[in-house]
Amino acid sequence: EAQVTQNPRYLITVTGKKLTVTCSQNMNHEYMSWYRQDPGLGLRQIYYSMNVEVTDKGDVPEGYKVSRKEKRNFPLILESPSPNQTSLYFCASSWTGGGEKLFFGSGTQLSVL
Amino acid sequence: GIQVEQSPPDLILQEGANSTLRCNFSDSVNNLQWFHQNPWGQLINLFYIPSGTKQNGRLSATTVATERYSLLYISSSQTTDSGVYFCAVEPNQGGKLIFGQGTELSVKP
Repeated sequence: EAQVTQNPRYLITVTGKKLTVTCSQNMNHEYMSWYRQDPGLGLRQIYYSMNVEVTDKGDVPEGYKVSRKEKRNFPLILESPSPNQTSLYFCASSWTGGGEKLFFGSGTQLSVL
Repeated sequence: GIQVEQSPPDLILQEGANSTLRCNFSDSVNNLQWFHQNPWGQLINLFYIPSGTKQNGRLSATTVATERYSLLYISSSQTTDSGVYFCAVEPNQGGKLIFGQGTELSVKP
């Protein structure tokens, strides 16, 4: 089954404790991206990747890191999480950046205490 | 940067009614997509529609790129149509995607 898989589904952590949210897709898509969703603000793009080893900042990249060492995986790293990073996070992928149907993962609800 | 505005912010319908959701954007775009987020949080792509009109069952979408807006039509609404509808635009070729704030639709039985 074609899908984008995020893990974990829920995560509670404390300020400053490094964490990684994983994202994997099985559709051989070139494009992958991360978003955060906050009430009243819709979805905002954090980072995106057009292909392996190519990553670019979205609208809200501060406090986040990503890597794209292989086509299927695009982990989101929070080196030192803060409470303002409490949010619902989505990973997505498509064949190419823009102009293609975007497939979303199920989301990761992160709480930083 | 480009601004994306959706209207109305909230909409309550009786089952069977029709509705039109609007997405305005402040500059020319390379791509526009509509998404539905169901009450369980799952996001599904409805349409990729940088211009013209497309239809998929009871849903259709029209984008008038020269006037910088897109419309999503829902006909004969069902309770399963409830959720939040987002439009998203790609300002230029390169992968950036900017979402509107969404229209929250509630369809009552």
